[in-house]
Amino acid sequence: AQSVTQLDSQVPVFEEAPVELRCNYSSSVSVYLFWYVQYPNQGLQLLLKYLSGSTLVKGINGFEAEFNKSQTSFHLRKPSVHISDTAEYFCAVTLYSSASKIIFGSGTRLSIRP
Amino acid sequence: EAGVVQSPRYKIIEKKQPVAFWCNPISGHNTLYWYLQNLGQGPELLIRYENEEAVDDSQLPKDRFSAERLKGVDSTLKIQPAELGDSAVYLCASSLDARGRAGDTQYFGPGTRLTVL
Repeated sequence: AQSVTQLDSQVPVFEEAPVELRCNYSSSVSVYLFWYVQYPNQGLQLLLKYLSGSTLVKGINGFEAEFNKSQTSFHLRKPSVHISDTAEYFCAVTLYSSASKIIFGSGTRLSIRP
Repeated sequence: EAGVVQSPRYKIIEKKQPVAFWCNPISGHNTLYWYLQNLGQGPELLIRYENEEAVDDSQLPKDRFSAERLKGVDSTLKIQPAELGDSAVYLCASSLDARGRAGDTQYFGPGTRLTVL
């Protein structure tokens, strides 16, 4: 069965600094990968997803992620964060063969300091 | 375009009482999902509907939880009776394709935060 590990439960960074949120997955077959963001008291919103093609995926709000098959990773990056990026970020995986059953990681809380 | 609508946003009940949550998906979306999100965790799928058919309810505790999606549009999730451990956020999501393909984007509602006392 597939699984997702988000290595950091909390990541504090200063405003305008770069950030990387780490995600590793485990699966014996090909997968689709997602990053979702959850702002306080809101539902999840898709940031970006990798289905196929270029391993560098660009998403909304200036975020990007790189799929690394050999390291089974899908780390999320942003070159310069803003206060408004404060939120919980979830990495998720689903199998090619599975009709939409997404497995979510436990989340990384990104806190931005002014 | 309106997003996924859920009500109520918050619910506080005593244990052993029944509770129901309602979800209206994005117009035209054929696949609907109910997720459970415990504090500090990612969402976990409870049930998935393709139109009015429940196609994956393997994680739904059927002794106390039930769900329905009559007419393949809005849906209700019920717990009877509620237990202390049911305190969590219940999220509803929808996606466009009726086949619920793996790569489809799921759109989430704001959730219902349930507190069982």
